[in-house]
Amino acid sequence: KAGVTQTPRYLIKTRGQQVTLSCSPISGHRSVSWYQQTPGQGLQFLFEYFSETQRNKGNFPGRFSGRQFSNSRSEMNVSTLELGDSALYLCASSFGTGDYGYTFGSGTRLTVV
Amino acid sequence: GDSVTQMEGPVTLSEEAFLTINCTYTATGYPSLFWYVQYPGEGLQLLLKATKADDKGSNKGFEATYRKETTSFHLEKGSVQVSDSAVYFCALLASGGSYIPTFGRGTSLIVHP
Repeated sequence: KAGVTQTPRYLIKTRGQQVTLSCSPISGHRSVSWYQQTPGQGLQFLFEYFSETQRNKGNFPGRFSGRQFSNSRSEMNVSTLELGDSALYLCASSFGTGDYGYTFGSGTRLTVV
Repeated sequence: GDSVTQMEGPVTLSEEAFLTINCTYTATGYPSLFWYVQYPGEGLQLLLKATKADDKGSNKGFEATYRKETTSFHLEKGSVQVSDSAVYFCALLASGGSYIPTFGRGTSLIVHP
């Protein structure tokens, strides 16, 4: 079966711009989570959506936002980009409770210059 | 709050050596425990899991046993291969329904021929 698909794989943006990342979960998975991965901070949880509702939120500023569509696909948006937003952004999907683990995409590598 | 502590890396081994990556956790109740692996340029993949005390998770020659008395979930493999070179993440999913796993910082494994 198809895995979690993230697009694009790589992005280069300028400070102050905004960016939208996309994630298509595994078919049947209703929960989609987003993580930021950096060498210094490791994996940091951004937010989680379940059935089009944000169910959990991490400690990130309001510049980071997301949404989930009725087909479970999700997008995250970062506005007013800062250099420190450069990171690998990972999307993960699950059936909903996480008991069976999460399936991750390959990520979007965002570079802010 | 919940936390996961992993041994710092990198762990450097020769092919066919025995591997142990230590993981301890702090959580209330009875969390589920996971090991994920991240190969270069990819997202995280679920390697194995255990959902209750004394359970042993295993996959691809890797094993980990849920030890509640020592709050540990150490990852072991009897004979590593160069292809096992990756970053390994220990994670817990708390009981009580937050649905969001807590990840350790990751341990890099380098296996030399």
